[in-house]
Amino acid sequence: GAGVSQSPSNKVTEKGKDVELRCDPISGHTALYWYRQSLGQGLEFLIYFQGNSAPDKSGLPSDRFSAERTGGSVSTLTIQRTQQEDSAVYLCASSPTVFQPQHFGDGTRLSIL
Amino acid sequence: GESVGLHLPTLSVQEGDNSIINCAYSNSASDYFIWYKQESGKGPQFIIDIRSNMDKRQGQRVTVLLNKTVKHLSLQIAATQPGDSAVYFCAENPWRGGSNYKLTFGKGTLLTVNP
Repeated sequence: GAGVSQSPSNKVTEKGKDVELRCDPISGHTALYWYRQSLGQGLEFLIYFQGNSAPDKSGLPSDRFSAERTGGSVSTLTIQRTQQEDSAVYLCASSPTVFQPQHFGDGTRLSIL
Repeated sequence: GESVGLHLPTLSVQEGDNSIINCAYSNSASDYFIWYKQESGKGPQFIIDIRSNMDKRQGQRVTVLLNKTVKHLSLQIAATQPGDSAVYFCAENPWRGGSNYKLTFGKGTLLTVNP
């Protein structure tokens, strides 16, 4: 079946612009997660959704970051007024419930000029 | 604090040899562990998981060993193939408790398989 789909796969933008990253989880997966992976680093947890609710937003680096999920499916991660330190690969994962392995998409590689 | 780390950042093996990738964790509350494989330009791919009530779990060509006494996790890959070349991450999760959805990842080990 289809895996987690993320778009765009690559995004290059100028400092100060806003960007939206999209994640389509595996159908039927109620739990959705966003992570960030910087060059040579491990994965950093950003936010978790159970259905459309985000019980834990503690990983969001600043108030320039926000995320939403609609219809228990698609999620959008928005970064406002992008800074160069936002450059990273943003990965989305989903799982059937919170107690099962997370399956990842291939990420969006974000580059801030 | 909570952390998951790796003993070796790089590992180079000959095709056909067995590979062992190690991981240490410090959170004694961790009771679920996952190994992921990440190829260049791809997202992490689930390999195998293990719960804390087990010491060993086997998959296809892979075995995960958990030593809770010394908080150590290892991934063994049998008959390593060139297609196994990738970065391998261990991740831990406190299955019980308020943050049981949050995976904490190690830095990763780069496995290179020489033909």
